[in-house]
Amino acid sequence: EAGVAQSPRYKIIEKRQSVAFWCNPISGHATLYWYQQILGQGPKLLIQFQNNGVVDDSQLPKDRFSAERLKGVDSTLKIQPAKLEDSAVYLCASSLGGARGTFGSGTRLTVV
Amino acid sequence: GQQLNQSPQSMFIQEGEDVSMNCTSSSIFNTWLWYKQDPGEGPVLLIALYKAGELTSNGRLTAQFGITRKDSFLNISASIPSDVGIYFCAGQGAQKLVFGQGTRLTINP
Repeated sequence: EAGVAQSPRYKIIEKRQSVAFWCNPISGHATLYWYQQILGQGPKLLIQFQNNGVVDDSQLPKDRFSAERLKGVDSTLKIQPAKLEDSAVYLCASSLGGARGTFGSGTRLTVV
Repeated sequence: GQQLNQSPQSMFIQEGEDVSMNCTSSSIFNTWLWYKQDPGEGPVLLIALYKAGELTSNGRLTAQFGITRKDSFLNISASIPSDVGIYFCAGQGAQKLVFGQGTRLTINP
């Protein structure tokens, strides 16, 4: 089966610019996660969707981050405006229902 | 929030040696997971543990779920070059995963 697809793989932006990441989960997976992984740390959950509804966004900085999952399939994560500390790898994962998701390869964001 | 302390942070070993790493938490978890992450890739699940005291193997990998449900360890026997990477523990509670900081494994041939 095809894995979790993410794009772009790399993105470099200036601070205060906006950026968007895209995720296509494994077909049939109802649950989708976005994680932020800062260099030298483990992934940290930002937001969890069940179909197109938000289950947990308690660690999402809502003043600048937003995410949506239209039609319960693809998802986009947006940052506006970006800060230097947002430099990280953004990982998308999907699962049939449990927290044991399959991860994509991630998008590496560098904010300069 | 919940935090996992993973140790050691890094290991430098010779090919063929055994490896041991562990993870401790101040909170109880219902499930412990161990992942491996290669450069430029997402984490890949190695072993999942579902019961306190459970000991599970996957080839040369062995992991245990601590009796107190607050810790877990991972052993790798007879290390080979492809074992190089970063290993993460993760505890699952309330449908959410909390990850440790990772153990970076380097192998000298």
